[in-house]
Amino acid sequence: EAGVAQSPRYKIIEKRQSVAFWCNPISGHATLYWYQQILGQGPKLLIQFQNNGVVDDSQLPKDRFSAERLKGVDSTLKIQPAKLEDSAVYLCASSKAGGLHTDTQYFGPGTRLTVL
Amino acid sequence: QKEVEQNSGPLSVPEGAIASLNCTYSDRGSQSFFWYRQYSGKSPELIMFIYSNGDKEDGRFTAQLNKASQYVSLLIRDSQPSDSATYLCAVNVPGYNTDKLIFGTGTRLQVFP
Repeated sequence: EAGVAQSPRYKIIEKRQSVAFWCNPISGHATLYWYQQILGQGPKLLIQFQNNGVVDDSQLPKDRFSAERLKGVDSTLKIQPAKLEDSAVYLCASSKAGGLHTDTQYFGPGTRLTVL
Repeated sequence: QKEVEQNSGPLSVPEGAIASLNCTYSDRGSQSFFWYRQYSGKSPELIMFIYSNGDKEDGRFTAQLNKASQYVSLLIRDSQPSDSATYLCAVNVPGYNTDKLIFGTGTRLQVFP
């Protein structure tokens, strides 16, 4: 079974530029998550999709971050404009059902973003 | 109070010893608890999950849960240098629309030969 795919793996941009990350979840997984992991910290949930609907985006900085999941499969996370504090690893995860305490999340390799 | 707390370490143990990693959480409604291992520069990898009070064993790993004390731990027996990594505790927190995982900051484990 193929795992969660993400691209690009690395990205370096200057502040105020825009950037987009792509994620393809495990086949058949209904729920997709985007996390931000700053160095030395645990992952922090940015947004959670159930199929193609948003169920939690309470920690997404909506003035600069946006995400979509068209057709309930692939997802794109965008930052526009980027700030220095956005430098982090952006992790995509997926799970079969979501919203259930028994659900298990599996992570992709992540995209390491450096904002200069 | 942070929702999920872990000692950042590093926790240094000799090869062959038992490593004990601890985690406390604040939400009494939490029902499931996960341990992820994260090697430097890599993404988190699920090791174990536990739902019920008591112990759960999987190979060299044992997860322990005490809901009354809001405490979960991970024991690694016969520690190997390849176990050197950061161990993230994640707690399922009930929400309005859906449950979500809250991660601790992780404990860095170093196993020396």
